[in-house]
Amino acid sequence: DSGVTQTPKHLITATGQRVTLRCSPRSGDLSVYWYQQSLDQGLQFLIQYYNGEERAKGNILERFSAQQFPDLHSELNLSSLELGDSALYFCASSVISRGANVLTFGAGSRLTVL
Amino acid sequence: AQSVAQPEDQVNVAEGNPLTVKCTYSVSGNPYLFWYVQYPNRGLQFLLKYITGDNLVKGSYGFEAEFNKSQTSFHLKKPSALVSDSALYFCAVRDQDNDMRFGAGTRLTVKP
Repeated sequence: DSGVTQTPKHLITATGQRVTLRCSPRSGDLSVYWYQQSLDQGLQFLIQYYNGEERAKGNILERFSAQQFPDLHSELNLSSLELGDSALYFCASSVISRGANVLTFGAGSRLTVL
Repeated sequence: AQSVAQPEDQVNVAEGNPLTVKCTYSVSGNPYLFWYVQYPNRGLQFLLKYITGDNLVKGSYGFEAEFNKSQTSFHLKKPSALVSDSALYFCAVRDQDNDMRFGAGTRLTVKP
């Protein structure tokens, strides 16, 4: 157990629907990162938060949004889902948001869009 | 922006032989370089990192990586591969102020 908790582990839904993925960072970590892993595109950085504030944005679609709450947990909202959104979504956390900090990853949430 | 490339999708080695998984990077300023490993149905696990100093970095499970500034490379190595080393390996780079970017991953298969 890495200390980063992601729920749900698996999610099957239909095109056009909306889902929310949840992440609880490791105790003491202030920064949360979201990554998307698909077969054809590797590990893509989506977005990063630090202590409730957006810190960096990567290849995140406009249909996707995220936030980090005062208790430091984070949610990734995916809307108007398409077949191509099927992927493994990882959350990672670190103590600070920059430099040589190591990221600790959760086990991932596998999203299947039918 | 920083970027990292892993030129090989797949590396196959025989158990007991040395292994190398290649990584090259592009970053402005001094890089922080990382290797992570992903086993099936698991999240990524940290193996080792380079910050500064000695170009040879030692990490978990007998892995090491060599930083080469002139070639902008950070290749992962192990003197003697084990079947249990079979996994997906990711190189990552970060500069001082930006987010961490990962390579596409290299699938290592160690055959008995």
